[in-house]
Amino acid sequence: SSELTQDPAVSVALGQTVRITCQGDNLRNYYASWYQQKPGQAPVVVIYGQNNRPSGIPDRFSGSRSGYTSSLTITGAQAEDEAAYYCNSRDSSGHHWVFGGGTQLTVL
Amino acid sequence: QITLKESGPTLVKPTQTLTLTCSFSGFSLRNSGVGVGWIRQPPGKALEWLALIYWDDDKRYSPSLERRLTITKDTSKNQVVLTMTNMDPVDTATYYCAQRRADWGWDWFDPWGQGTLVIVSS
Repeated sequence: SSELTQDPAVSVALGQTVRITCQGDNLRNYYASWYQQKPGQAPVVVIYGQNNRPSGIPDRFSGSRSGYTSSLTITGAQAEDEAAYYCNSRDSSGHHWVFGGGTQLTVL
Repeated sequence: QITLKESGPTLVKPTQTLTLTCSFSGFSLRNSGVGVGWIRQPPGKALEWLALIYWDDDKRYSPSLERRLTITKDTSKNQVVLTMTNMDPVDTATYYCAQRRADWGWDWFDPWGQGTLVIVSS
């Protein structure tokens, strides 16, 4: 099995850009998907694959990958983006899935 | 519109077996590529992937929990059932089911059910 490592907390000023990262050996071979979770709600996917946004997700959300690191970037963060963000991908075997520990985003 | 909803007991005693049902609509587990997964989240903690079943009845389990988990599907009822044996207070969590979707060689979980809280306590 593999692990995905995320920073526990990140903050960003309103309207500024923030990058949330996810590190793991398996990310060289598998794209991460990213989930936004607000308190008391189920997670919602915001980015999947190379850099795909589901319908209804604002285009300020984007994804990228470099080596062992996948990133979620929010360009022009809004107050409603304050939430926990989790990355997810296949593990190194390709037969299971793993989630990162989550990053709590605070919009100042 | 695709929806999923989890159901099951709110309270289970230690050592008991938990049975959760995911009832879904808007898609069929008869269709190639489709899967349904279970993910849990202890209070205040991170998401943890548990299990997934594919349309062809291929089943995948978290290596750390495999000996305790069983996932099955009832295609005619549009349901997926997860059982977890020997429940312990550390298994207290909100349990979610979600559709596994795939495209161009990558996959993701969307949408998710609302989740069901399971408390393990004597």
